[in-house]
Amino acid sequence: GAGVSQSPRYKVAKRGQDVALRCDPISGHVSLFWYQQALGQGPEFLTYFQNEAQLDKSGLPSDRFFAERPEGSVSTLKIQRTQQEDSAVYLCASSLVELSNTEAFFGQGTRLTVV
Amino acid sequence: DAKTTQPNSMESNEEEPVHLPCNHSTISGTDYIHWYRQLPSQGPEYVIHGLTSNVNNRMASLAIAEDRKSSTLILHRATLRDAAVYYCILRDRSADGLTFGKGTHLIIQP
Repeated sequence: GAGVSQSPRYKVAKRGQDVALRCDPISGHVSLFWYQQALGQGPEFLTYFQNEAQLDKSGLPSDRFFAERPEGSVSTLKIQRTQQEDSAVYLCASSLVELSNTEAFFGQGTRLTVV
Repeated sequence: DAKTTQPNSMESNEEEPVHLPCNHSTISGTDYIHWYRQLPSQGPEYVIHGLTSNVNNRMASLAIAEDRKSSTLILHRATLRDAAVYYCILRDRSADGLTFGKGTHLIIQP
């Protein structure tokens, strides 16, 4: 596809369940980002990959959150033992090169609801 | 990333120009000024960015103050589809992700 694709679009998880969210970035894009967006708030940075290397994971809220991008393209954000406060929209973005002087392309997000 | 300040919301009429202000008094010399917008139930969408000079593209114009401590996003002729939250973001070369604030909720009246 032409844009960043995320799946699933919606996920309902029972508290304590593990979830995996997938991001397909634009082909050839080096940089990949994950964000968390709570209702009514701006997106908050979680983690950043340059190719397969995770260069920054300072935004991950706890050790229950884990992200990978093993072959430098598709990325997966995994949340273990989900809790209600994990309910949010999870956004993935990619850019062709490092970001200061170029644009990031965002997917439509995955809305996670923990019940 | 340095902090930006934007009004919480603004209202405009359809087919009129809209000027969205952003203050960034602590901007550094290497910070780029980026604007993104987020339509309801969508991911953020790039609008425009600049460093020192004013910039124009098919979506909008970016006017940057001479001292770079403020900037204005200009939508020349707003349509109902421009109703969104607009984020002004400073981006340093050394930073990784974009740091979003709360943005300005733009309401367009028909």
